Amino acid sequence: KQEVTQIPAALSVPEGENLVLNCSFTDSAIYNLQWFRQDPGKGLTSLLLIQSSQREQTSGRLNASLDKSSGRSTLYIAASQPGDSATYLCAVRRYGNTGKLIFGQGTTLQVKP
Amino acid sequence: EAQVTQNPRYLITVTGKKLTVTCSQNMNHEYMSWYRQDPGLGLRQIYYSMNVEVTDKGDVPEGYKVSRKEKRNFPLILESPSPNQTSLYFCASSFDILGGSGELFFGEGSRLTVL
Repeated sequence: KQEVTQIPAALSVPEGENLVLNCSFTDSAIYNLQWFRQDPGKGLTSLLLIQSSQREQTSGRLNASLDKSSGRSTLYIAASQPGDSATYLCAVRRYGNTGKLIFGQGTTLQVKP
Repeated sequence: EAQVTQNPRYLITVTGKKLTVTCSQNMNHEYMSWYRQDPGLGLRQIYYSMNVEVTDKGDVPEGYKVSRKEKRNFPLILESPSPNQTSLYFCASSFDILGGSGELFFGEGSRLTVL
C-alpha cells in the first residue's frame, strides 16, 4: 500500500533563507508526483508536476526533484518570502491505478519577516 | 477562465437530510475526483471518475454517492448525512494522464457541517 510522508510537519524560517521540503513515498511505481500549496481555508494550488520519467521541474524560485529509486521528492524554495507562508502538500499517482492519488499530510511553512 | 467550481461553498445541515455538492469544470477534463480534508488526517479520496459514466471508489467512499452523466459535472451526494461527514470537501479535475500531463486542478472547497 502506498504511503506518502512529509517531514517536517511544520517549519519556521527567517525571510531570505533557502529551504527544502521533503516528500517520501513507499512504492516507487508512480506515474507522477505533484506539489501543491494551500493557504488557510482555501483550495489547493498546483505548483509543480513531475512525471515519473523526469528528474526535476522548475518554476521561478521553486525547484522540485524526484528520485523514484529512493522514494523521495524535494521541493526547494529559494530566497523565501513571507508570502510563501502556507501548507505545502505532495501527492503521488499510482502506476497501474492512475485514478487514485495519495496525499502527504503536508508541511506548514512560516516565513518570518 | 479555467476553473473548477463547487457549490455550495458553505453549508450547515442536519443529520439525515439529503444533500448534493455540485462540481463543474470548464477545461474539458476527463478525470474528476472528490476529497475530504480533516485535521490530522489530511486529504483523503472519496470517489473518482476517469470519464463519463465511469466512476470508482477512493479510500473513504462510505456514506457518499457520485454520478458522472456529463463530462463537466461530478456531483457528490450525501443520501443521509451524519456528523462524522462534517468536513472540508474538495473537487478536482485533470486531463487523462495517458493523453495529457495529469496535472490536477482543485476547486475552492465546500465546508460542510452536519448537526
